[in-house]
Amino acid sequence: SYELTQPPSVSESPGQTARITCFGDKLGDKYASWYHQKPGQSPVLVIYQNTKRPSGIPERFSGSNSGNTATLTISGVQGMDEADYYCQAWDSSSAHVIFGGGTKLTVL
Amino acid sequence: QVQLVESGGGVVQPGRSLRLSCAASGFTFNSYTMHWFRQPPGKGLEWVAVILYDGSNKYYADSVKGRFTISRDNSKNMLYVQMNSLRAEDTAVYYCARDRGIFGVVPECFDIWGQGTMVTVSS
Repeated sequence: SYELTQPPSVSESPGQTARITCFGDKLGDKYASWYHQKPGQSPVLVIYQNTKRPSGIPERFSGSNSGNTATLTISGVQGMDEADYYCQAWDSSSAHVIFGGGTKLTVL
Repeated sequence: QVQLVESGGGVVQPGRSLRLSCAASGFTFNSYTMHWFRQPPGKGLEWVAVILYDGSNKYYADSVKGRFTISRDNSKNMLYVQMNSLRAEDTAVYYCARDRGIFGVVPECFDIWGQGTMVTVSS
């Protein structure tokens, strides 16, 4: 079955650039999406179709997807960006939605 | 405003059944594919099932296939999941969510989520 792998945690200082990776076999051939989730809240879509931002998501959030790796980049990271981040893709061969295991972003 | 509201969660004994509901408002429900997800306490997100906008196709996670049934009533703007033969490992917050694409036949991503409803399977 198809799997997406994320680092369990990423830490960055305020104002710096945080990067969260998501690895999957030929992930670049699929659309990758990203969500953040704060404690006690529902997930929020922050990137879809690899690079697009939904309305209301700050420009500091950007995405890329090539080869086997999708990357969520948060430029000028802020304390409010502390959350769990999940990557997601659709695996057409199994007809399953796949999530990565999640990455806890800490802003030091 | 665009909103999804889940209901029907609670405490249930192993082997019993439960039906969750999701009420949609603020958008044209019958134009959107819909999903159920779950999140066990302290763990990550898990996809449960999807139903296309017209109900023509449904897909399930391996962990629930044969036990859960997703359905929708477009006349009432309602999404459901019937959960049978519940197990302790089904304990989770259950979310419904809208797929982003209109009349999408290939699930993509999820732009509207409900607040979730907790299901606890315990004797």
